[in-house]
Amino acid sequence: NAGVTQTPKFRILKIGQSMTLQCAQDMNHNYMYWYRQDPGMGLKLIYYSVGAGITDKGEVPNGYNVSRSTTEDFPLRLELAAPSQTSVYFCASHKDGAGTGNTEAFFGQGTRLTVV
Amino acid sequence: GNSVTQMEGPVTLSEEAFLTINCTYTATGYPSLFWYVQYPGEGLQLLLKATKADDKGSNKGFEATYRKETTSFHLEKGSVQVSDSAVYFCALGGSTLGRLYFGRGTQLTVWP
Repeated sequence: NAGVTQTPKFRILKIGQSMTLQCAQDMNHNYMYWYRQDPGMGLKLIYYSVGAGITDKGEVPNGYNVSRSTTEDFPLRLELAAPSQTSVYFCASHKDGAGTGNTEAFFGQGTRLTVV
Repeated sequence: GNSVTQMEGPVTLSEEAFLTINCTYTATGYPSLFWYVQYPGEGLQLLLKATKADDKGSNKGFEATYRKETTSFHLEKGSVQVSDSAVYFCALGGSTLGRLYFGRGTQLTVWP
């Protein structure tokens, strides 16, 4: 069972560079999320999607973009990398919406990004 | 709005000691409450959950009871093991958008 797969696991970017963090799930989940985890700060929601073709901003969307052309994939794009985007990024998926408690949210292993 | 306040760490215990990690929340409506665990180098995994007041979630010897009167969901384990060393996150499930609201996380280290 693959679950939620994120790539790459590690990346170092220079200021101003761009990159895409990939996220794919094979559970046919409608809800997908991108979080960032800063040290001692918990997880903050960047963007989310409730289905293919539908995306919206979370708490900290500035500097990021997403797309959801298929149910399976939810890539996160950084256009002009800044040191403030140094963080660990987690993608998650859920069948019904993680807050319902009815079923479990599944997380990828994370992407550790450093911007220098 | 929705928020979670979690006991700050790090927490260091000897094997077989009793563990409590405090978690309180602020929420509108009737949220579900969760504890997630993150082992080194891995993503978050659901440890336990409770979906309504007075429910007790339990898994792997860990327990937490949804207390609406004190808006709390404290995590407890009677006898910790070295393998329990991880970061523990308390989370609240908001009714809007299905997203989760996380606490800051508590690093637990258990020594043999």
